[in-house]
Amino acid sequence: DQQVKQNSPSLSVQEGRISILNCDYTNSMFDYFLWYKKYPAEGPTFLISISSIKDKNEDGRFTVFLNKSAKHLSLHIVPSQPGDSAVYFCAARGTSGSARQLTFGSGTQLTVLP
Amino acid sequence: DSGVTQTPKHLITATGQRVTLRCSPRSGDLSVYWYQQSLDQGLQFLIQYYNGEERAKGNILERFSAQQFPDLHSELNLSSLELGDSALYFCASSVSQGGLLDEKLFFGSGTQLSVL
Repeated sequence: DQQVKQNSPSLSVQEGRISILNCDYTNSMFDYFLWYKKYPAEGPTFLISISSIKDKNEDGRFTVFLNKSAKHLSLHIVPSQPGDSAVYFCAARGTSGSARQLTFGSGTQLTVLP
Repeated sequence: DSGVTQTPKHLITATGQRVTLRCSPRSGDLSVYWYQQSLDQGLQFLIQYYNGEERAKGNILERFSAQQFPDLHSELNLSSLELGDSALYFCASSVSQGGLLDEKLFFGSGTQLSVL
């Protein structure tokens, strides 16, 4: 039972355009959401996060949107750059029970074409 | 560089064998987490240790065990290996015992295990 789902295994975008990565979750106990980025032969690194009390968080070219009623979040990258090509993992966490541990989605491979 | 060191980077072994994966956390971090990433799967939480004691358990098989030593490095032991155990195993560390909503995990580069 996947509690965090990333339904698009891959996404290709032209350099300079917007990249939109999507994530859905099912556990209503999740209160905090994170995006991690992973390059080949490296471990995931933290990118950006959002608390459930917010609907948007922005950091430079990266913005995460949270729609709590739809249990959906998205990561926008504007403008996309070739160096953004990586696997992006959505992750979620709550404060009690099994939700206390970070739960990850299966990842989306983003390719930014020059 | 996350500061988390995992060895070895690659491990090839046969079914039925036993292997040990090693992780050194970032300096100052007391928690170590183990995650498994199988093909086309997300990172699955296996187990967490905090300051030498088991803190939380996820979907870890009985054939797998872990420990954290007084110097805070951790080892993940995988025994009676099966083909399906082939995966990328990540170690992560954090400063606290977990439970903080905004706590960030810092990941090592992983150990790729291939069971033939």
